[in-house]
Amino acid sequence: DIQMTQSPSSLSASVGDRVTIICQASQDISNHLNWYQQKPGKAPNLLIFGASNLQSGVPLRFSGGGSGTEFTFTISSLQPEDVATYYCQHYDNIPQYTFGQGTKVEIK
Amino acid sequence: QLDLVQSGGGLVKPGGSLRLSCVGSGFNFNDYYMSWIRQTPGKGLEWISYISISGHTIVYADSVKGRFAVSRDNAKNSLQLQMSSLRAEDTAVYYCARGRGGYSDFWGQGAPVTVTS
Repeated sequence: DIQMTQSPSSLSASVGDRVTIICQASQDISNHLNWYQQKPGKAPNLLIFGASNLQSGVPLRFSGGGSGTEFTFTISSLQPEDVATYYCQHYDNIPQYTFGQGTKVEIK
Repeated sequence: QLDLVQSGGGLVKPGGSLRLSCVGSGFNFNDYYMSWIRQTPGKGLEWISYISISGHTIVYADSVKGRFAVSRDNAKNSLQLQMSSLRAEDTAVYYCARGRGGYSDFWGQGAPVTVTS
């Protein structure tokens, strides 16, 4: 089974900072990688699909990149409303889905 | 307006059963595959089941295989998860989500399930 490892598990940054989260796959997954945002008490919300495609309606400060085994998720300018936990998710052709452990983002 | 409304969560004893439902509105339900994902208290997300648009392809995570059964009724825009032989470790918030192209682009509000004696 493919394992997804996210880092860091949490981070604290100032408003306006650039924030980057890493997701590593245990083997090559091409671009089969999505990113979700989950705010406390809410369901997850899709931000990025196919590693780098911004979901409709998602602010442009969010972006994703990478392929193969290493992926990045970036918030170009952190806003107070971005406080949340972010998850990467791999999907394969079976289909099966594997989530990373999550990264909790807080404001310093 | 787009919506996935979940029902059926609650308290159940170990070894018991529970049925979750998820009804879609505001979109063509039979254009999307559906998934169930759960989140244990204070922990992350775990995908547990997939059902294709037709219902002919169903996949389960190993953690629930043989105990959970997913079904859908496209005429009623509904998705069900029948959970049996429940264990304490099944305690979680259960989400239904619609999917397309490998991603889940809209989720239900979640249904809490607590398995305790």
